[in-house]
Amino acid sequence: DVKVTQSSRYLVKRTGEKVFLECVQDMDHENMFWYRQDPGLGLRLIYFSYDVKMKEKGDIPEGYSVSREKKERFSLILESASTNQTSMYLCASSLRGQGATDTQYFGPGTRLTVL
Amino acid sequence: AQSVSQHNHHVILSEAASLELGCNYSYGGTVNLFWYVQYPGQHLQLLLKYFSGDPLVKGIKGFEAEFIKSKFSFNLRKPSVQWSDTAEYFCAVNVGSYIPTFGRGTSLIVHP
Repeated sequence: DVKVTQSSRYLVKRTGEKVFLECVQDMDHENMFWYRQDPGLGLRLIYFSYDVKMKEKGDIPEGYSVSREKKERFSLILESASTNQTSMYLCASSLRGQGATDTQYFGPGTRLTVL
Repeated sequence: AQSVSQHNHHVILSEAASLELGCNYSYGGTVNLFWYVQYPGQHLQLLLKYFSGDPLVKGIKGFEAEFIKSKFSFNLRKPSVQWSDTAEYFCAVNVGSYIPTFGRGTSLIVHP
């Protein structure tokens, strides 16, 4: 079974702090994704990565950056946290280029509150 | 750009009622279609998927979905829901890339 783990389930930070969210997957997937999930808005893609050191902006990258130094690890960074970044953050991974088998496997999520 | 619409945002049913959740997408070419489910306190997981072949796809826990190409739809169905089906359901569409577009989700509450 694919396992995607996220470093924290709950996180409380103050405005202006630098925040790191870590994600690790154990199935050698090429693709990794960061989403934020907000009520009524579904999942919105922040960034994704299709290989080590490669990254692409998603739909809402402003205020975020990412890092992928190793294949299994994908980090989301909030350079200066703001209250409007309070949300549930989901990490996912998938195989690449498999067409219909691009099933995404999700982590448990990190609920971030910025005060 | 493709878009995915889930028309039912909140659905409340009694146990044993039948369920149908709508999902429509905007792209006219070849698509891969997914339904994901998020049970309370749990992570998102795949419910079922369609890529080719029989347009009626069966998934876990008695769910099924039908791909109707002419209607750009991939509706999720279950003939008799249970209290344990209470969850949020997301439709997703993948158009030739590995980056799916998600709908806004449908919150299903099943009363015992």
